[in-house]
Amino acid sequence: AQSVTQLGSHVSVSEGALVLLRCNYSSSVPPYLFWYVQYPNQGLQLLLKYTSAATLVKGINGFEAEFKKSETSFHLTKPSAHMSDAAEYFCAVSYSGNTPLVFGKGTRLSVIA
Amino acid sequence: GAVVSQHPSWVICKSGTSVKIECRSLDFQATTMFWYRQFPKQSLMLMATSNEGSKATYEQGVEKDKFLINHASLTLSTLTVTSAHPEDSSFYICSARPLAGANVLTFGAGSRLTVL
Repeated sequence: AQSVTQLGSHVSVSEGALVLLRCNYSSSVPPYLFWYVQYPNQGLQLLLKYTSAATLVKGINGFEAEFKKSETSFHLTKPSAHMSDAAEYFCAVSYSGNTPLVFGKGTRLSVIA
Repeated sequence: GAVVSQHPSWVICKSGTSVKIECRSLDFQATTMFWYRQFPKQSLMLMATSNEGSKATYEQGVEKDKFLINHASLTLSTLTVTSAHPEDSSFYICSARPLAGANVLTFGAGSRLTVL
């Protein structure tokens, strides 16, 4: 069965500091991996996705993630946090184009001025 | 880009009434739509998979008679919460997979249901 584990339900960083949000996956087949962002009372917006192409994936708003098969990880990073990055971030996995996504529990990112 | 519209975004209803939430793909056709439920400060839980022209597939533990899903066209799926109770209060989010697209889901903005 597929699952994702997001380490840390809440991460707080200073403005301008590195953002690192952790995600580990469990999948019996090569996974498709995603990061979504959710702002309060809104739906989800796709940040980036990994679909077996390049292991380093660049997304919107300066975010990127690296797929590491040996570590079964897909951590999300951004070199310099901005106040507008404060939101809830979800890692998700699926194993084919026709299956629904399985989401992690989410990590709330706070950015301190 | 692909856009999914949900309506209404907010709804308050009395206990015992039914509420319909619409999910529309505005600029693409979606053979498959997914309905998720999100409790406060929690992750998204898949409720059901809605396929155009066929019955929805519900996840274990989701009452299909309570959460009626209809996917009558390639651009519209509806979720009807029947005989709503306060415990049905939640944030409901739909997502759609483009007909000819890859495995990326586009999400609606969500519908917050409050049952009094």
